[in-house]
Amino acid sequence: SQQGEEDPQALSIQEGENATMNCSYKTSINNLQWYRQNSGRGLVHLILIRSNEREKHSGRLRVTLDTSKKSSSLLITASRAADTASYFCATDAGGTSYGKLTFGQGTILTVHP
Amino acid sequence: GAGVSQTPSNKVTEKGKYVELRCDPISGHTALYWYRQSLGQGPEFLIYFQGTGAADDSGLPNDRFFAVRPEGSVSTLKIQRTERGDSAVYLCASSPVSSSYNEQFFGPGTRLTVL
Repeated sequence: SQQGEEDPQALSIQEGENATMNCSYKTSINNLQWYRQNSGRGLVHLILIRSNEREKHSGRLRVTLDTSKKSSSLLITASRAADTASYFCATDAGGTSYGKLTFGQGTILTVHP
Repeated sequence: GAGVSQTPSNKVTEKGKYVELRCDPISGHTALYWYRQSLGQGPEFLIYFQGTGAADDSGLPNDRFFAVRPEGSVSTLKIQRTERGDSAVYLCASSPVSSSYNEQFFGPGTRLTVL
């Protein structure tokens, strides 16, 4: 079963705009990861944020984590047409479940040139 | 270097048949994971190997599903008496060590269609 919920389910923007996707989860976590999936291809890891971190940056990506609200957001700045993909958050509960990822349902991002 | 590879890329079978899906992880990666992704959904965990042993098989839906990794490298996911509900993309991932802080490297998946 899916632990997380992501919103919006779909997001359509123009090139150059920022895209924000949100993820909520239900149980306590060790870390949260974001992955991108292009149509018909495998998932690519984007960024990992640990439970004791609140914000992390990687290039045009900014991830925040609020463990009190059990939520995370992914911001893509200055979007490009090549950013068009599905984006998934995935949680790792750690403990005896370490390494086992629980994915959300994903946000489909479309960036129009 | 080579990434995670999965074969076949597509598999069409009839209800009731047996299928095997193969995963070749990145060389040297000790952890290997299988996930299943249905249309419009995120991947769902099936089983995780640390070396040759299945460390967690809690995601396997029933006893028709079985996976092996006999030499700690290549893994095979086996599905007996396939059902139409088994149709999905089966994803394999590997990581260097079994740790909460390692990203997982995913293969392109095997699209299984059960008619």
